[in-house]
Amino acid sequence: GQNIDQPTEMTATEGAIVQINCTYQTSGFNGLFWYQQHAGEAPTFLSYNVLDGLEEKGRFSSFLSRSKGYSYLLLKELQMKDSASYLCASASGGSYIPTFGRGTSLIVHP
Amino acid sequence: DTEVTQTPKHLVMGMTNKKSLKCEQHMGHRAMYWYKQKAKKPPELMFVYSYEKLSINESVPSRFSPECPNSSLLNLHLHALQPEDSALYLCASSQDTGTGENTQYFGPGTRLTVL
Repeated sequence: GQNIDQPTEMTATEGAIVQINCTYQTSGFNGLFWYQQHAGEAPTFLSYNVLDGLEEKGRFSSFLSRSKGYSYLLLKELQMKDSASYLCASASGGSYIPTFGRGTSLIVHP
Repeated sequence: DTEVTQTPKHLVMGMTNKKSLKCEQHMGHRAMYWYKQKAKKPPELMFVYSYEKLSINESVPSRFSPECPNSSLLNLHLHALQPEDSALYLCASSQDTGTGENTQYFGPGTRLTVL
């Protein structure tokens, strides 16, 4: 498997910042994806990282450290609509097809 | 346009029925995927088509039969399913399974209930 690990659940307050961590298998690494999935809906693409560093897209940023097999998704200025599952997916083992982690359920409360 | 469409949105079928799920994309993607997702679980890869040829079958039971009539269409034929097959079935497409940023775009899914 891809040995992807991320927390099962996190809670945060509206307007705050939250960081969702993900670790993955480094062997044959080809990229790390983050998806957002609201209950009963399809996953939607948030970010892709293949090089070390931080990629910023509006309120969402994603970070990658290849040597540590570590990524995080940073959500700023949290809104209630950000309550969703956040899926970390890694393309590793020489494959370009990502394998999904179990997802982190984020609950944003007022 | 990053839209992948799926029909039907909901499907209820008995264990003796035969039905098909359909998926379409017009992004010129050459890879298409079927995933199965149970509640509170991540999507599980079932099949991958690359350039209209089946390239990955993740040991899926034969009661699920995929078909790729052309580069834009992907079907999943269902026959003699079990109640435990009830799930959200997601279709996705991506540029190419053999190159760099292989971002997958997902359709809205078909919610399948097997009685």
